[in-house]
Amino acid sequence: AQTVTQSQPEMSVQEAETVTLSCTYDTSESNYYLFWYKQPPSRQMILVIRQEAYKQQNATENRFSVNFQKAAKSFSLKISDSQLGDTAMYFCAFTIYGQNFVFGPGTRLSVLP
Amino acid sequence: SAVISQKPSRDICQRGTSLTIQCQVDSQVTMMFWYRQQPGQSLTLIATANQGSEATYESGFVIDKFPISRPNLTFSTLTVSNMSPEDSSIYLCSVEGTSRSSTDTQYFGPGTRLTVL
Repeated sequence: AQTVTQSQPEMSVQEAETVTLSCTYDTSESNYYLFWYKQPPSRQMILVIRQEAYKQQNATENRFSVNFQKAAKSFSLKISDSQLGDTAMYFCAFTIYGQNFVFGPGTRLSVLP
Repeated sequence: SAVISQKPSRDICQRGTSLTIQCQVDSQVTMMFWYRQQPGQSLTLIATANQGSEATYESGFVIDKFPISRPNLTFSTLTVSNMSPEDSSIYLCSVEGTSRSSTDTQYFGPGTRLTVL
């Protein structure tokens, strides 16, 4: 069975600084998809970034980028120039085509003024 | 991505009653998903709902407790039956993306916060 681990239950960062959230996963598959979702206190789950495992290039969305290390089964999220609005729970997720999503336990990020 | 709405956004219910949560999507989608998020926890998939067929439930969830309807390609309901305080959670519906580049991506509704007294 696929598993997703986020080893940092809580993190904090000063506004305008950079923070990296860790995620590791376990699978024997070679083709899969990885995601980071953000859930602010409003509880809406928002897609932050998506990575296809067959693509070597790391995905980037504005201030958000990932470091995808397929051999190490690692998928970390880097947030640059942190903003107060980045305060949220961040969930790493994994799926194989046609199968259900597997979510990690989440990391609570606080951006401090 | 699809625009997804849920009703109600929150509710407080008495033990033993039932609540039906609605999920509406602004485009036709094949699969809709229902998740439960208990306080401080991650998401757990309850069931997958395809239009025109019975929902597929995950281990630990049964149709008698969480009946689901999927009458068309833009709408689904989840009922939480005979509620107990342990059912207090956020319930989220989601759909898969419909564009070629997003079919393996799930997009979520705003969630329904349920409190059972």
